Amino acid sequence: DAEITQSPRHKITETGRQVTLACHQTWNHNNMFWYRQDLGHGLRLIHYSYGVQDTNKGEVSDGYSVSRSNTEDLPLTLESAASSQTSVYFCASSLTSGSDTQYFGPGTRLTVL
Amino acid sequence: GENVEQHPSTLSVQEGDSAVIKCTYSDSASNYFPWYKQELGKRPQLIIDIRSNVGEKKDQRIAVTLNKTAKHFSLHITETQPEDSAVYFCAASLMTNSGYALNFGKGTSLLVTP
Repeated sequence: DAEITQSPRHKITETGRQVTLACHQTWNHNNMFWYRQDLGHGLRLIHYSYGVQDTNKGEVSDGYSVSRSNTEDLPLTLESAASSQTSVYFCASSLTSGSDTQYFGPGTRLTVL
Repeated sequence: GENVEQHPSTLSVQEGDSAVIKCTYSDSASNYFPWYKQELGKRPQLIIDIRSNVGEKKDQRIAVTLNKTAKHFSLHITETQPEDSAVYFCAASLMTNSGYALNFGKGTSLLVTP
């Protein structure tokens, strides 16, 4: 069955290290999104992509980067991890546009010590 | 960015009662309004959505209403059950430079007590 997966599911890292979170979907969706979820803040958009080679900054993009080299994957990189980036990260995808149903991955819990 | 305000932040109801969660948005170009349910430790999952050309939509015990003039939309859950306990998020589409994305409310923690 088609699905959206994230890896790792849990990650502990140290301040200043580079971290990459993977997101992979097999629906052939054009659009992919990264959110972070923190208590009291809901889901905040970090970066998104509407297709291969397309990337856009969201509301909370500072300290994060993404690249889209194929349809299936949108890895999220924390260039130099900070304690403020401790959060749960969700990847999502949709078929046509942001005004279409978004399907979420299972999430990655990241702790930066 | 454009904001989506969601109220209340917490809601406790007795089993069998109704629950109502309200959201307001500010972007007049918003045309898609989904609601997601997130159980503890799980991913958000779409439960119902509505588009701007429709005023109300129902799916069994859940319904969503939209008032575009007032820029608010609401989730209604009737005959609540303990398994309805979860965090609910509303969202509104927003126009970006390249297309549309979703702007989420901060969530409502619903507790249904037997």
